[in-house]
Amino acid sequence: KQEVTQIPAALSVPEGENLVLNCSFTDSAIYNLQWFRQDPGKGLTSLLLIQSSQREQTSGRLNASLDKSSGRSTLYIAASQPGDSATYLCAVTDTGGFKTIFGAGTRLFVKA
Amino acid sequence: DTGVSQDPRHKITKRGQNVTFRCDPISEHNRLYWYRQTLGQGPEFLTYFQNEAQLEKSRLLSDRFSAERPKGSFSTLEIQRTEQGDSAMYLCASSGNRVGYTFGSGTRLTVV
Repeated sequence: KQEVTQIPAALSVPEGENLVLNCSFTDSAIYNLQWFRQDPGKGLTSLLLIQSSQREQTSGRLNASLDKSSGRSTLYIAASQPGDSATYLCAVTDTGGFKTIFGAGTRLFVKA
Repeated sequence: DTGVSQDPRHKITKRGQNVTFRCDPISEHNRLYWYRQTLGQGPEFLTYFQNEAQLEKSRLLSDRFSAERPKGSFSTLEIQRTEQGDSAMYLCASSGNRVGYTFGSGTRLTVV
């Protein structure tokens, strides 16, 4: 049974700091891994999608890496801004390509 | 196409009443998913459709829950005889081949 863990559960940083969010999963047989952002009371916004054959994806100040063999992914946020404050969720999709398991998320607060 | 739409955004109901939620996926996506999310947790998988076929249901989906996707287009999630424990955010997502999830804004259910 796939389990997804995110560390830390919460993080508070000053504006401008570079930071890393961690995601680990127990079953390396995955179809893809996706990072999402969720603002309070809202739905999820997709940030980056990494297919199982890829090692990383980049979008603007965001970079996500994937190491299937160790069951880990990291989300790197450069030059953090107060607008980055949100919950960041990691989600792993199984090799069937349809069942996705989410971590509990990391709540990020960027102080101005 | 404006993305995944969910209706209503909020629903307050009395315990024991039936409720129905609607999800309109991105038109070219053939897969549709329902998730439930409670405060401080990641979304939990409920059920999945490929076109009009319901291919998997979570054990979380008791016999009070039913989901349909007639003609492979929009989907409905019905909860009968609601209980206070059903209070949560109900999220719908759609995806296509090698395309990650796109989530709707969710329906927040409060059972009083």
